[in-house]
Amino acid sequence: AQTVTQSQPEMSVQEAETVTLSCTYDTSESDYYLFWYKQPPSRQMILVIRQEAYKQQNATENRFSVNFQKAAKSFSLKISDSQLGDAAMYFCAYSTGTASKLTFGTGTRLQVTL
Amino acid sequence: GAVVSQHPSRVICKSGTSVKIECRSLDFQATTMFWYRQFPKQSLMLMATSNEGSKATYEQGVEKDKFLINHASLTLSTLTVTSAHPEDSSFYICSARDARGVRGDTQYFGPGTRLTVL
Repeated sequence: AQTVTQSQPEMSVQEAETVTLSCTYDTSESDYYLFWYKQPPSRQMILVIRQEAYKQQNATENRFSVNFQKAAKSFSLKISDSQLGDAAMYFCAYSTGTASKLTFGTGTRLQVTL
Repeated sequence: GAVVSQHPSRVICKSGTSVKIECRSLDFQATTMFWYRQFPKQSLMLMATSNEGSKATYEQGVEKDKFLINHASLTLSTLTVTSAHPEDSSFYICSARDARGVRGDTQYFGPGTRLTVL
């Protein structure tokens, strides 16, 4: 069974600084998708970024980028120029594709300080 | 694009009553919808997967007779919590995916429904 591990329950970053959230996963599949979702206090789950495993290039969305290491089964999220609005729970998730459900990690709570 | 709505956002009911939660995809057709439950400070727990026009697939340990799911159209899925009890109090979240779309692998989430059973 696939598992997703987020080893950092909480992280803190100063405004305008950079922070990296860790995620590792376990799978025997060769083709899959990885996601980072953000859940702010409103509890609305918001897609931050997605990565297709067959693509070697790391995904980037504005201030958010990933470091995808397929061999190491690692998928970390880097947030640059952190803003107060980035404070939220961040969930790493895995899926094998259109027919598959999401497997979530336990989440990392990110605090952004002034 | 890819907006999912959920209604109601909050509901308080008496023990023994049934509660229906609606999940709608507003700007895309959702071939598949998912229902999750989330306890405070925990991750999302998948309850069931529903495909339009077919019966829902429930995760192990989820009572299908208690949590009735209907996915009658490509834009609407409903979750009915039957004979709700205080232990059913939780935050319920739906998500939707268009398996035929360019981002067919991506789930988009509704804003959630907080259910409190007295």
